[in-house]
Amino acid sequence: EIVLTQSPATLSLSPGERATLSCRVSPSVNSYVAWFQQKPGQAPRLLIYDASSRATGIPARFSGVGSGAEFTLTISSLEPEDFAVYYCQQRSNWPPYNYIFGQGTKLQI
Amino acid sequence: QVHLMQSGAELKKPGASVKVSCKASGYIFSDYYIHWVRQAPGQGLEWVGWINPRSGGTKFAQKFQGRVNMTRDTSITTVYMELRGLTSEDTAVYYCTRDVVNVVVEPATFAHWGQGTLVAASS
Repeated sequence: EIVLTQSPATLSLSPGERATLSCRVSPSVNSYVAWFQQKPGQAPRLLIYDASSRATGIPARFSGVGSGAEFTLTISSLEPEDFAVYYCQQRSNWPPYNYIFGQGTKLQI
Repeated sequence: QVHLMQSGAELKKPGASVKVSCKASGYIFSDYYIHWVRQAPGQGLEWVGWINPRSGGTKFAQKFQGRVNMTRDTSITTVYMELRGLTSEDTAVYYCTRDVVNVVVEPATFAHWGQGTLVAASS
């Protein structure tokens, strides 16, 4: 079964700084990785899909890159509203068919 | 704009069943997959399954097979998720989410989310 491992578990930064979040996929299946942001008490929000495509309405400071086993979400200059938990996700067609999420990275001030 | 409105919180006894609804609006209902994703208190996200609103076809995560069903009523643009044999481990917020891609291709990921429905199983 595919496992998505996110690092770091917690990232402490300040507004204006650059954030780099990682997601490692094992075994590597495809490049259809998505990234989500979730704030307390809210539903997740899609940021990036297909590794690098920004979802509708997502600011340009959010970007995604990667292929194979290594994927990265970058927030170029943190805004106060960006402090949240971030999840990566991938679909697996291998048995068992599943949509797997990473365990999350908490981005805190 | 796309809107997914879910039914209210449910408290069930262990062993019971629960049926959660998700009413879609703001787009062509039959054009996009609907998934269900759940989140236990303080935990991460877990995919439950999807339904193709056009065909009624479904696909479930292996751990839920035999215990979950998803249906839709196209006349009222609503999908339903029923989970049977509830245990305390099923206590979670259940989200319906609309896929980013059309049903003519394989489902991809979760573009639009409902507000969530808390399902609690407790004696």
